[in-house]
Amino acid sequence: DGGITQSPKYLFRKEGQNVTLSCEQNLNHDAMYWYRQDPGQGLRLIYYSQIVNDFQKGDIAEGYSVSREKKESFPLTVTSAQKNPTAFYLCASKRGQGQPQHFGDGTRLSIL
Amino acid sequence: QKEVEQDPGPLSVPEGAIVSLNCTYSNSAFQYFMWYRQYSRKGPELLMYTYSSGNKEDGRFTAQVDKSSKYISLFIRDSQPSDSATYLCAMTTYPPRPDRLTFGKGTHLIIQP
Repeated sequence: DGGITQSPKYLFRKEGQNVTLSCEQNLNHDAMYWYRQDPGQGLRLIYYSQIVNDFQKGDIAEGYSVSREKKESFPLTVTSAQKNPTAFYLCASKRGQGQPQHFGDGTRLSIL
Repeated sequence: QKEVEQDPGPLSVPEGAIVSLNCTYSNSAFQYFMWYRQYSRKGPELLMYTYSSGNKEDGRFTAQVDKSSKYISLFIRDSQPSDSATYLCAMTTYPPRPDRLTFGKGTHLIIQP
């Protein structure tokens, strides 16, 4: 089935540790996005990529990094510089300009 | 003023009722409008996608856009307990510059059996 797969579903981070969240899509979509969702805050854009080997910062990029080496993959690294990483992280993709975004089922990150 | 305003609820209605969910926005450049449904611990699922003003119907769902009032609505007819979820509105400009969405914070809907 075509879709967006995020893994793992749950992730725990120790202090000072970097962790990487996986996002894979088999929809042949060009653009991919990472959001953070906190209670009462709505979705906030972390990074987005419109094409392979190119990405842009969103509204809350500090403490996060991404890569886009393949069209189908857009991993997000939460670095130790992100002091409040506990949140629900959502990956999305879309086919092209003016098209709606489609989401994966998220990764919940917590601090040990 | 926030770009997109959405009442967080919760909105509780009896099964079978017509539900009206709404968003207001301030940026007159918004042209594409979306509604997403999000169940607990799941990602948002696209329900409706409309361009510019007017109505769009899909089964029990109707999306309405009033650009003159900067107001969008989602109506759910014959509501079911399975419709209980958080509903997010989202919108973007035309052409999408930059290519990103602006979201409301979501309305939590509860359908009582």
